[in-house]
Amino acid sequence: AQSVTQLDSHVSVSEGTPVLLRCNYSSSYSPSLFWYVQHPNKGLQLLLKYTSAATLVKGINGFEAEFKKSETSFHLTKPSAHMSDAAEYFCVVRENSGYSTLTFGKGTMLLVSP
Amino acid sequence: EAGVAQSPRYKIIEKRQSVAFWCNPISGHATLYWYQQILGQGPKLLIQFQNNGVVDDSQLPKDRFSAERLKGVDSTLKIQPAKLEDSAVYLCASSLDLASGNTIYFGEGSWLTVV
Repeated sequence: AQSVTQLDSHVSVSEGTPVLLRCNYSSSYSPSLFWYVQHPNKGLQLLLKYTSAATLVKGINGFEAEFKKSETSFHLTKPSAHMSDAAEYFCVVRENSGYSTLTFGKGTMLLVSP
Repeated sequence: EAGVAQSPRYKIIEKRQSVAFWCNPISGHATLYWYQQILGQGPKLLIQFQNNGVVDDSQLPKDRFSAERLKGVDSTLKIQPAKLEDSAVYLCASSLDLASGNTIYFGEGSWLTVV
C-alpha cells in the first residue's frame, strides 16, 4: 500500500524568500514520486518527478526536490519565491510494482506576499 | 503537442439529474484516467483504462457512475442520478502506458455543481 502525507496545509512566504513544502511517503515498493502544481481554475501541471535515478531532481520554474529514502521524504524547495508561484502543490506517489495508480497528498497551498 | 482535452468545463445540474463528461487524451497515450477532486482535497482515482479495457475501477461508485472508452481513444464519464456530494472537479488524465515512471498529463477539468 502507498500513502502520502503533506505536512502543511498552508505555507506563507514573502516574495524573494525560500520555499519549503514538505512531503513524506509510505510505499511497499520503491516508489516514483511527483510534485504537481495547480493554479486556480487550472489543471494539474507536473513540476518534477523522481524515478530511481538521481536523488536530487530539478524541475520547472526553479523548483527542485530531494528523495531521501532513510527519511521517506520528498520535500519541494525553491531558493526564491515569485508571486506567480502562489498555487496549490500536490505530492504524489506511485509504486513501481506492475501497474499502480497515483496516490495524491491533500495538497499544500502556497501563499506569496509582496 | 495538444494536451488532454475535456468538455464541458463547467456544468450545473439539479440533484437526480444526469451529466456526462468527455475526454480526449494526448494522441498515442494508451492509458486514460478519471479523477474526482472535491474542494480542498487531492484528486482521487475513479477509473483507469488501458486502451479500451478497464484496469482499475475499484473506487468508482458503480450504482451511479459509469465510464467507457469504446475505441481506446476518447472517453466519457457519466453520472446518473447525481447527488449533492458529487459536486467536484472531474479530471481526465493520460499517460503513454502503465509504466510507473511515465508522466501523467492532466486536462483542465470539468467543474460540476449539483444543486
